[in-house]
Amino acid sequence: GAGVSQSPSNKVTEKGKDVELRCDPISGHTALYWYRQSLGQGLEFLIYFQGNSAPDKSGLPSDRFSAERTGGSVSTLTIQRTQQEDSAVYLCASSSRGGAGYGYTFGSGTRLTVV
Amino acid sequence: TQLLEQSPQFLSIQEGENLTVYCNSSSVFSSLQWYRQEPGEGPVLLVTVVTGGEVKKLKRLTFQFGDARKDSSLHITAAQPGDTGLYLCAGARHIPTFGRGTSLIVHP
Repeated sequence: GAGVSQSPSNKVTEKGKDVELRCDPISGHTALYWYRQSLGQGLEFLIYFQGNSAPDKSGLPSDRFSAERTGGSVSTLTIQRTQQEDSAVYLCASSSRGGAGYGYTFGSGTRLTVV
Repeated sequence: TQLLEQSPQFLSIQEGENLTVYCNSSSVFSSLQWYRQEPGEGPVLLVTVVTGGEVKKLKRLTFQFGDARKDSSLHITAAQPGDTGLYLCAGARHIPTFGRGTSLIVHP
């Protein structure tokens, strides 16, 4: 597609439930990033996929968080047993090449609210 | 500790005023990017600066990369309500590192 697409745009879930967030990057972009944005906290890196390489999971805050990228395209971020502190906007970005200095195109994000 | 410090955190000005926002770090970056984010949307790339001392202009926006490639500034001339948004700087590393942003409101 023309841009990075994320779904759902909003998600309200009960504490303890699992959620799946989807990211459809720009076609042909090999690099894909997940970030989390909380009020006043900026963008917090979660995970990075580059081509067929093993993902960089160094930003995942706990083992309740996981992500996969199928066929080098669509990515799904899964949060198990959600907690209230997981409430945030989850942003996905893709780039034609990973690493330093290349422009990143962001999706509009998924606003997750855990009640 | 935030790798990239942005200041001011908030800025509320009248249409027509000039402003400067800053992005500072103790680390050297090979390049630095500026993004603008509007409510309900993801950040949109404005510019990438690469060379120390580089100045780039985008209409009324002027971006400067410090000589030592540790800091950058964004200057907006004659601000307009359409400039309202969150301005984020990002340092280029293996994983882009973002500052917390400057939230700008331009009142008509």
